[in-house]
Amino acid sequence: GEDVEQSLFLSVREGDSSVINCTYTDSSSTYLYWYKQEPGAGLQLLTYIFSNMDMKQDQRLTVLLNKKDKHLSLRIADTQTGDSAIYFCAERNFNKFYFGSGTKLNVKP
Amino acid sequence: DTAVSQTPKYLVTQMGNDKSIKCEQNLGHDTMYWYKQDSKKFLKIMFSYNNKELIINETVPNRFSPKSPDKAHLNLHINSLELGDSAVYFCASSRQAAGGKSTDTQYFGPGTRLTVL
Repeated sequence: GEDVEQSLFLSVREGDSSVINCTYTDSSSTYLYWYKQEPGAGLQLLTYIFSNMDMKQDQRLTVLLNKKDKHLSLRIADTQTGDSAIYFCAERNFNKFYFGSGTKLNVKP
Repeated sequence: DTAVSQTPKYLVTQMGNDKSIKCEQNLGHDTMYWYKQDSKKFLKIMFSYNNKELIINETVPNRFSPKSPDKAHLNLHINSLELGDSAVYFCASSRQAAGGKSTDTQYFGPGTRLTVL
């Protein structure tokens, strides 16, 4: 399968911005996604970006895509304690979705 | 109403037993998936069905057999359970998109935590 990599942990203070990074290998990916998983829960789709876009903003979330470097990032502005969770990036190629290992975001009050 | 539901939420069983996990989606989607999430949170696709037909079958032991009675249901049957099968199993669904031209985002169920003793 394709490789999707993320750093495992990120710790920020409440009110700061968080930036979660992801790299992928499949240059033919059509869509890239960010999912959030809270403890004991399933994955919740946060946002997605089409591969011909550079940026997408949705309220406190900003997704940046550098297709040349195959790098995807998720910026969360004004991070809150409720944002503490594991964040997964995923790439899609037709019917296959490849997920990263997840980045555990810890927000300190 | 829950979009993608799984039962049971928790399953504790002895090694060697046979068990099933059920998944249902009421989104009208054509494609359903099973994922396994291990203790390190790695999420790996196991199977995908489109309109009741198997389209993805990753390297999964043949003790795992998916069954899709209709396109709204995809059940996972596991024979001769082993300790290494302990994980959280997620069902997901998406619309089919020919040529991958739509967002075709996946919607996940809440997961089934399987513990094999």
